[in-house]
Order: sequence, then C-alpha cells, then structure tokens
Amino acid sequence: NAGVTQTPKFQVLKTGQSMTLQCAQDMNHNSMYWYRQDPGMGLRLIYYSASEGTTDKGEVPNGYNVSRLNKREFSLRLESAAPSQTSVYFCASSDTGGQPQHFGDGTRLSIL
Amino acid sequence: GENVEQHPSTLSVQEGDSAVIKCTYSDSASNYFPWYKQELGKRPQLIIDIRSNVGEKKDQRIAVTLNKTAKHFSLHITETQPEDSAVYFCAAAFTGGGNKLTFGTGTQLKVEL
Repeated sequence: NAGVTQTPKFQVLKTGQSMTLQCAQDMNHNSMYWYRQDPGMGLRLIYYSASEGTTDKGEVPNGYNVSRLNKREFSLRLESAAPSQTSVYFCASSDTGGQPQHFGDGTRLSIL
Repeated sequence: GENVEQHPSTLSVQEGDSAVIKCTYSDSASNYFPWYKQELGKRPQLIIDIRSNVGEKKDQRIAVTLNKTAKHFSLHITETQPEDSAVYFCAAAFTGGGNKLTFGTGTQLKVEL
C-alpha cells in the first residue's frame, strides 16, 4: 500500500520553463491537496480538489494550475517557472468530513 | 480566512522533561485541529488530532487540549525522548469547507541527552 506517491522527487528548472508535478493516491480518498513548504513559513495551500471533477484555489494559487485527472491523480503545473517558486511541494489526500490528511514524500524544486 | 499562530518557534528540553507547544486560531468556524510531526527531509505525519466537540485527547505520551472560547490549542509531550526531536506543526480547518488546513509556522523541538 503506497499511500500518496509524488513524482519527481527532485527537479531543477530554469526560469521560464514549464513542468508538471504528479501525485497519485491509492486510498480511495475523495479530496486531494497541493501545498508548498518554505523555510519559516509552514505549509501553505496552493490548490485543492474536494472531489473528482472539482478544483479550488488555496492561499497561494498564483503561477500554478491543477488538474484532477481522476479520483486517484491530482497534478500541479507551473507554466512559466520563477525563482520565487523554489520550494518543497507536498501533495496530500483525505476522506471528506474532517479526516486526517496523508502526505506524499514531497518534490524538491529549484528554479534558477 | 483562517490564521494560525504557533509558539515557540524553537524549543529545547532535556530528555525526560515535558514539552508544550501552543497555537491560536482566528476563525471561530474551525472545528478540526491536527498536529503533524516532520523529521528532517521527510513528509509531515499526523501524530494526533482533535475535533471541536472534545476538550482533550491523549495518546500515550502525547496529548492535545482545545479551548474553543479562547481559540487556542496546545500539544503536550511528556517524558520526551531523543526521537521526539523534529519540527511540529499545528493546523486548523473547517470540515464543511473542503477540509482545507491552515498550518502554523512550526516548532523545532530538540530533546537533549
């Protein structure tokens, strides 16, 4: 049972390049989330999907887009990467109704 | 939106002592309060959570208390051990609003021998 799987684990991009971060969960959870973690700032919600077919903005959505491909998969896309998007990105999933969120191992993204 | 403040940002205790981390939240609608532990380079992992209909919850050496009136909640770790050293995050969510978590900024706990 893998839980939440994120790919890639590490990535270096140049400013202006695009990239998609992949996330898949095998727990049959309805809700999925993308966070970014920066030093001293905790985790901040970028986008979330309460259920298959729906997506909503979180606290810091600018510069990102998401796709809830199916119940298992939720991808995050950077269309034109900027140095300010250098961060560790975590995907999470949960059942609805105030259930614990389970996190993936993260993607460490550096933008030069 | 919700705002969660967490204190202290760093905490150093001797092995066997207790550690307390405190969080306050701003949105009175929040009703779910999880705590996560994150070791260096690893994913955040849930250690305990509490819902607004409960004032206290315990799980072995860890406990969480919630004061809805004052809008604050705390994590208590007793008999600390070196393996408790990590960053701890509190969070708050309104479960009727997509279960979106707002996190505190974290507490670096160091348990010294």
